[in-house]
Amino acid sequence: GQQLNQSPQSMFIQEGEDVSMNCTSSSIFNTWLWYKQDPGEGPVLLIALYKAGELTSNGRLTAQFGITRKDSFLNISASIPSDVGIYFCAGRSSNTGKLIFGQGTTLQVKP
Amino acid sequence: EADIYQTPRYLVIGTGKKITLECSQTMGHDKMYWYQQDPGMELHLIHYSYGVNSTEKGDLSSESTVSRIRTEHFPLTLESARPSHTSQYLCASSVGGAYREQFFGPGTRLTVL
Repeated sequence: GQQLNQSPQSMFIQEGEDVSMNCTSSSIFNTWLWYKQDPGEGPVLLIALYKAGELTSNGRLTAQFGITRKDSFLNISASIPSDVGIYFCAGRSSNTGKLIFGQGTTLQVKP
Repeated sequence: EADIYQTPRYLVIGTGKKITLECSQTMGHDKMYWYQQDPGMELHLIHYSYGVNSTEKGDLSSESTVSRIRTEHFPLTLESARPSHTSQYLCASSVGGAYREQFFGPGTRLTVL
């Protein structure tokens, strides 16, 4: 089946550093969503992208919908301890219309 | 932002018991979904509904069943729980085109002994 490859799998960074993570696929997607999940909670939507090339910000977070429609990245600037969690990308397949989730990026921030 | 609720948040139950996981949303979203997630892993769709009296199985095979009698309510039932059903179950809803922004509930952590 269709898969999203999300990288890196985990990151351990110093407070104040910038963070970048991405998702790639061999298939085309018409929507990209980025979620953050805290332990024991449901994912919370951070950013939604609907057009190839679209660049959207939400506070310190910036995400882009790749021109090829097969990838997306999320950047977090000036990380803080509360950024800790698991970040998931999700792409809406242009073939099936269903959301496919990446494997997640676990972010740890050292104060 | 959607208001979506799941109960119970945690459930520990013995093998063979029948359980129902509740999911309700107050935003009038027509589309609802159930995902299964093992700790730290990706989400897998097990059921979805496009509206009242509409239910479909997702990509991951599941022995659970769902019903959609009311727009706001999308319960998931396991007739006979087994240890292999131990997982986190997440409910989500969306409005507009299917699989656009989905808003998730807090999840139910199920442990079957």
